[in-house]
Amino acid sequence: GAGVSQSPSNKVTEKGKDVELRCDPISGHTALYWYRQRLGQGLEFLIYFQGNSAPDKSGLPSDRFSAERTGESVSTLTIQRTQQEDSAVYLCASSGAFFGYTFGSGTRLTVV
Amino acid sequence: DQQVKQNSPSLSVQEGRISILNCDYTNSMFDYFLWYKKYPAEGPTFLISISSIKDKNEDGRFTVFLNKSAKHLSLHIVPSQPGDSAVYFCAASGSSNTGKLIFGQGTTLQVKP
Repeated sequence: GAGVSQSPSNKVTEKGKDVELRCDPISGHTALYWYRQRLGQGLEFLIYFQGNSAPDKSGLPSDRFSAERTGESVSTLTIQRTQQEDSAVYLCASSGAFFGYTFGSGTRLTVV
Repeated sequence: DQQVKQNSPSLSVQEGRISILNCDYTNSMFDYFLWYKKYPAEGPTFLISISSIKDKNEDGRFTVFLNKSAKHLSLHIVPSQPGDSAVYFCAASGSSNTGKLIFGQGTTLQVKP
């Protein structure tokens, strides 16, 4: 596609439920990143995929968070047993060149 | 541990004047720095970058300055325009080839007509 597409754009979920966020990167982009922005804070790195290499999961805040990517296509970020502190905007970016990030518009997650 | 810091959460300037946004970092291994701009309900978009081998990079109204000894960079916008009103993030990367960026907290710039 023309840009990075994320779905849903907004998600309200009850505490304790699982949620799945989707990211469609730009076709041909080998690198894919997930970040999140909690209210009043900066962008917090979560996970990074590069081609077929093992993902860099160093930013995942707990074992409730996981992400998958099939080849160089769609990625899903799953949050299990959601907590209120998981409320944030989750941003996905893809890159075909070093530092050439293109961000999606994000998924705003609200845990009530 | 906040490795990239933007200590001013907000900045307000008059149209036509200069906007200066500041960013400090703590990791001396960072060797590439970027500025992103974010409008509400949109993802951040790349604005300008600088490598650690330079101390200045200019692109139209936007100039980024890097002071490695002070671990400080700044973004100058001149002249400022109302459409520049947005949140500005600085970001840094180390000397690995992962492409992973560390972002600051952001500074909200308001340019008044």
